[in-house]
Amino acid sequence: QVQLVESGGGVVQPGGSLRLSCAASGFTFSTYGMHWVRQAPGKGLEWVAFIRYDGSYKFYVDSVKGRFAISRDNSRDTLYLQMNSLRVEDTAVYYCATGTGSGIYYRFDQWGQGTLVTISS
Amino acid sequence: DIQMTQSPSSLSASVGDRVSIACRTSQPISTYLNWYQHKLGTAPKLLIYAASTLQSGVPSRFTGSGSGTEFTLTISSLQPEDAAIYYCQESFNTPYIFGQGTKLEI
Repeated sequence: QVQLVESGGGVVQPGGSLRLSCAASGFTFSTYGMHWVRQAPGKGLEWVAFIRYDGSYKFYVDSVKGRFAISRDNSRDTLYLQMNSLRVEDTAVYYCATGTGSGIYYRFDQWGQGTLVTISS
Repeated sequence: DIQMTQSPSSLSASVGDRVSIACRTSQPISTYLNWYQHKLGTAPKLLIYAASTLQSGVPSRFTGSGSGTEFTLTISSLQPEDAAIYYCQESFNTPYIFGQGTKLEI
């Protein structure tokens, strides 16, 4: 069965860095675009970043551009999110999700359980 | 960016009730609209995509409708396990905006 397992969360001081990982199994990872989505405490879901199946295209929400970098290693079936210059407002549970379909049928159909990132001094 | 407005922000209903959650977008998006269910501490779950297509494995009591700027998620015959937060999401383009969520209490 499809499984996405995030790791790498923790407590970091403002200005620090963290790298999240998302280990995929149960499907052909190299054929799926992947997303990172986050949920800050008491807030709703917020899309963060996307990477095409081959890594050739990457998109980010404006608030993380220049600070976060999404990448993937298809040989290891793993998605990453390198987070630099972290801010208190980056505190959230971070989820990875698969992007499936095209056109009107595009959706995030498989999600991981999330990893908590806390930015605090 | 597209603005998403969900209503109500919360609602309380009883087992067996029928409830509807509305989602409005700031510009027409055809049927580029998904619905998710999220329970605290778990992975969000896709319910409906393309505004009205039921995701495999999701109970048929969940239905989606609408196009353009007005969309609705309807849950008929509420079950205790339907207590959750429900989000709409536009899949028209990045940044794939989510609605603010509707908390459903049973």
